[in-house]
Amino acid sequence: DQQVKQNSPSLSVQEGRISILNCDYTNSMFDYFLWYKKYPAEGPTFLISISSIKDKNEDGRFTVFLNKSAKHLSLHIVPSQPGDSAVYFCAANKGGSEKLVFGKGTKLTVNP
Amino acid sequence: SQTIHQWPATLVQPVGSPLSLECTVEGTSNPNLYWYRQAAGRGLQLLFYSVGIGQISSEVPQNLSASRPQDRQFILSSKKLLLSDSGFYLCAWDRDYQPQHFGDGTRLSIL
Repeated sequence: DQQVKQNSPSLSVQEGRISILNCDYTNSMFDYFLWYKKYPAEGPTFLISISSIKDKNEDGRFTVFLNKSAKHLSLHIVPSQPGDSAVYFCAANKGGSEKLVFGKGTKLTVNP
Repeated sequence: SQTIHQWPATLVQPVGSPLSLECTVEGTSNPNLYWYRQAAGRGLQLLFYSVGIGQISSEVPQNLSASRPQDRQFILSSKKLLLSDSGFYLCAWDRDYQPQHFGDGTRLSIL
């Protein structure tokens, strides 16, 4: 049972445009959500998070939106840059302190 | 600042050989520690996690084991590797409601 789903294995966008990465979850107990970015042959690095008391969190070019009723979150990158090309993982847990459940990742390619 | 070290970066092992991957964290105490595996084309699968010395929780049945002999040391082992053990192994830590931080990973190839 996959509790965190990233249904798009890949996404390609042009430099300067918006990248939108999507994530769905099934466990209504999840209340803390994170996005990680991973380059090949490296460990994931934390990008941005959001708790269920908010519906939006912004950090520079990165914004995460949470729709609790739809059990859906998305990561927006504006403007997209070639250096953003990586695999993006969505993750979630309960209470912010329990073990994370990861999606399978979406490979983003930003074309110059 | 906190850092996490994981080694070796790459490893090629024959089927049936033993395995020992080591992970250490610096700059913090009492971290939660995790071992993940990323198989080709798949997401991050949690293998083991530990909330303290000697405390290991296993997430999936397999021929791997983990140990935490010291507060900031986490070891992944196997007595006999299988072809299906190939993958990218990641160690991670967190504490106090902070996001998990990952090491650079070990690429394990089984021949």
